[in-house]
Amino acid sequence: EIVLTQSPGTLSLSPGERATLSCRASQSVSSAYLAWYQQKPGQAPRLLLFAASSRATDIPDRFSGSGSGTDFTLTISRLEPEDFAVYYCQQYGSHGHTFGQGTKLEIK
Amino acid sequence: EVQLLESGGGLVQPGGSLRLSCAASGFTFSNYAMTWVRQAPGKGLEWVSTLSGSSDYTYYADSVKGRFTVSRDNSKNTLYLQMNSLRAEDTGIYYCARDTSAGDCWDYWGQGTLVTVSS
Repeated sequence: EIVLTQSPGTLSLSPGERATLSCRASQSVSSAYLAWYQQKPGQAPRLLLFAASSRATDIPDRFSGSGSGTDFTLTISRLEPEDFAVYYCQQYGSHGHTFGQGTKLEIK
Repeated sequence: EVQLLESGGGLVQPGGSLRLSCAASGFTFSNYAMTWVRQAPGKGLEWVSTLSGSSDYTYYADSVKGRFTVSRDNSKNTLYLQMNSLRAEDTGIYYCARDTSAGDCWDYWGQGTLVTVSS
């Protein structure tokens, strides 16, 4: 099973700043099968990016993704108040799907 | 508008059973694989099971294999999860989600139903 490790566990930033979230895989992941989700308290997860860098429907262009192999990054260029949430990466492989443990993005 | 509405959660004793339902609307249900994802209280997300649109393939996480059964009724636009031999560690919110056409992630999610396994 591929293990995804996200860092940092918590990221404290201010609105307007740039956020960089990391997702590292225990073995190589196809970029086609790496996704990112946002989850706010009391809500279901929301798909942000699929295939590592493609934005889902209605996702603002301040969200971007990059990476390949074992290292992937979610970048939020200029934080808006509504962006403070928990973010998960997820991969799909031969043994099913796995998620990272999440990065909490909190207001500094 | 795509909508997914879960139901059937509740309190059940260890060893008991529960059946969850997910009513779908706003899209051609039979064209999409569907998935259950769960989240223990205060914890992260865990994939549980995926069922293809025509029910010809199913996948389960090792943690539920042999205890949970996923099924669907395309005439009723409904997905099910039959959960048997429930354990305390099965406690959490259960979400149903629609697979993308590539089948590698989920573009629409329900609001979830809470399952609590406790004596």
